[in-house]
Amino acid sequence: GDSVTQMEGPVTLSEEAFLTINCTYTATGYPSLFWYVQYPGEGLQLLLKATKADDKGSNKGFEATYRKETTSFHLEKGSVQVSDSAVYFCALSGYQAGTALIFGKGTTLSVSS
Amino acid sequence: GAVVSQHPSWVICKSGTSVKIECRSLDFQATTMFWYRQFPKQSLMLMATSNEGSKATYEQGVEKDKFLINHASLTLSTLTVTSAHPEDSSFYICSARSDRARNTEAFFGQGTRLTVV
Repeated sequence: GDSVTQMEGPVTLSEEAFLTINCTYTATGYPSLFWYVQYPGEGLQLLLKATKADDKGSNKGFEATYRKETTSFHLEKGSVQVSDSAVYFCALSGYQAGTALIFGKGTTLSVSS
Repeated sequence: GAVVSQHPSWVICKSGTSVKIECRSLDFQATTMFWYRQFPKQSLMLMATSNEGSKATYEQGVEKDKFLINHASLTLSTLTVTSAHPEDSSFYICSARSDRARNTEAFFGQGTRLTVV
């Protein structure tokens, strides 16, 4: 079945460092791909998404490109801030509309000043 | 973007009592909602899919008699943890997603921290 694999954390960076969180997927057809962020004690917020191959999603300085040839959707940010400390989840939508998203296990990012 | 409101944000209850958690989609009709459970520093575990006007679909290993789900309207789903025990303490999150297209994102509630003492 469909699945998402993302790098395990925690990822610890200094402020202004470059961030990459790897995400690869297995799916039939052409899924849509998402990155969500979860701050402590809160629900998940959509960070960005891409719905077809070669699409680039971007938001708040974060970017991810839908690479069908490598089945990847890596999250990147050029210069992280302390406020970016959170848990990041990669997810995909299956073929059928209205079904639950399939999530990776999450990657904890900790940024220190 | 669409807003999903979850209430309460935290609750403490005595062992053996029941607790109800509400999930409302505020600006779109959600024929389908999802309930997740999250343990500390772990990913989301899908518990069940809540379908408006019909029975919920539970994931394997989730006790349907313990976690009662009701989806009485297009904007409200409730999760009732019956006869709660300390092992039910967890962070519960609801989600709603439009079924109009398969590329739409899911919207999440703020989560409910349940502590059973």
